Amino acid sequence: AAGVIQSPRHLIKEKRETATLKCYPIPRHDTVYWYQQGPGQDPQFLISFYEKMQSDKGSIPDRFSAQQFSDYHSELNMSSLELGDSALYFCASSLKAAGVYGEQYFGPGTRLTVT
Amino acid sequence: AQKITQTQPGMFVQEKEAVTLDCTYDTSDPSYGLFWYKQPSSGEMIFLIYQGSYDQQNATEGRYSLNFQKARKSANLVISASQLGDSAMYFCAMKSYRDSSYKLIFGSGTRLLVRP
Repeated sequence: AAGVIQSPRHLIKEKRETATLKCYPIPRHDTVYWYQQGPGQDPQFLISFYEKMQSDKGSIPDRFSAQQFSDYHSELNMSSLELGDSALYFCASSLKAAGVYGEQYFGPGTRLTVT
Repeated sequence: AQKITQTQPGMFVQEKEAVTLDCTYDTSDPSYGLFWYKQPSSGEMIFLIYQGSYDQQNATEGRYSLNFQKARKSANLVISASQLGDSAMYFCAMKSYRDSSYKLIFGSGTRLLVRP
């Protein structure tokens, strides 16, 4: 079965550079979530999209932006990178109709290292 | 506000024994879902088991079972017959019906180490 695809899997950037993370949800899933997991921490919700519209926003820095495209893939754009942005970034997808009873399917994550 | 609490930062268990990982939650919403994820050192998040707030029976998935005590707001994960491959970080998470985005709120996790 198709899973959530994230690219790249690893990314090394320098401070003040820009990074773009991509997510391809499971086909027919209408909701995409982005989570950030710092070293030794639990995943923190950043932002979500439902049917290509932003549906919720968490503690996402103003330097970050995201969007979902017509083919449902999503991109997380990160500018003016800081050392503290080094983390594992997960994308997850689900069907909104499943509500609280539906599993979120996680991608393998993108490990971003800012030097 | 929703909150997940995992009070065991780390645990050891002997191979082939059972282990219980604790999770308590806080929500005023009567409709919610509780999830457990496993995160090995490679980093991926692996879904293990799910419990809905209206489910009458405790969820089970192979060697995993969820001890759901609604009145106590606890959703402990029980792993039976531990294997070396069970060594990983385990996260309890919740999503609430009132939160229309259905995002997951995670606990701080428990690191489990299985001893041979």
